[in-house]
Amino acid sequence: EVQLLQSGGGLVQPGGSLRLSCADSGFTFSRYAMTWVRQVPGKGLEWVSAISGSGGGTFYADSVKGRFTISRDNSKNTLYLQMNSLRAEDTAVYYCAKDGVGTIKFAYWGQGTLVTVSS
Amino acid sequence: DIVMTQTPFSLSVTPGQPASISCKSSQSLLHTDDKTYLSWYLHKPGQPPQVLIYEVSNRFSGVPDRFSGSGSGTDFTLKISRVEAEDVGVYYCMQSLQPPLTFGGGTKVEIK
Repeated sequence: EVQLLQSGGGLVQPGGSLRLSCADSGFTFSRYAMTWVRQVPGKGLEWVSAISGSGGGTFYADSVKGRFTISRDNSKNTLYLQMNSLRAEDTAVYYCAKDGVGTIKFAYWGQGTLVTVSS
Repeated sequence: DIVMTQTPFSLSVTPGQPASISCKSSQSLLHTDDKTYLSWYLHKPGQPPQVLIYEVSNRFSGVPDRFSGSGSGTDFTLKISRVEAEDVGVYYCMQSLQPPLTFGGGTKVEIK
């Protein structure tokens, strides 16, 4: 069974940085695209960033482009999200998600980690 | 960006009764590969979201057959044939035709 274990959330001041991690317990990590999705408290789901299985392709929402960097280390089965120049509006629960076979998007999800940007 | 619009905003359903959620996209989700990139997710309280349906009508592994998806082009529907207590949560449709992937605003399902 696929398990995605997230770490790295917490409280950070505006303008600060934080790195989120998402470790995959399975053996097929490098085959699948990975994505970060967030949920602002009381709001809906928002796609943040995605990366191809090889890491060669990356995509970002306009709201985070230039501030966030997605990456992966397939030798460690781990996905990362480096978040710089954080703003109050980045406060959210961040989820990592792994694609499934074929066209299945977000077949597996991490448990979520809360990022709070506040002074 | 493709805009996804869900209705209704919320539903209160008696157990055993059906429920239906509509999702409309601002442009067709039909790809040149003849697949339509529309998925449905359920976000239960205190849990991460889970995928229910992909490519409009395909149930993900383990999803009960009381959940069904239908539609084409820009109009889609998720139906629950007989709502159970465990079905409470917020339901989202999502398009994965092109980045940025976009979700509908969500439909909160409660039990009467």
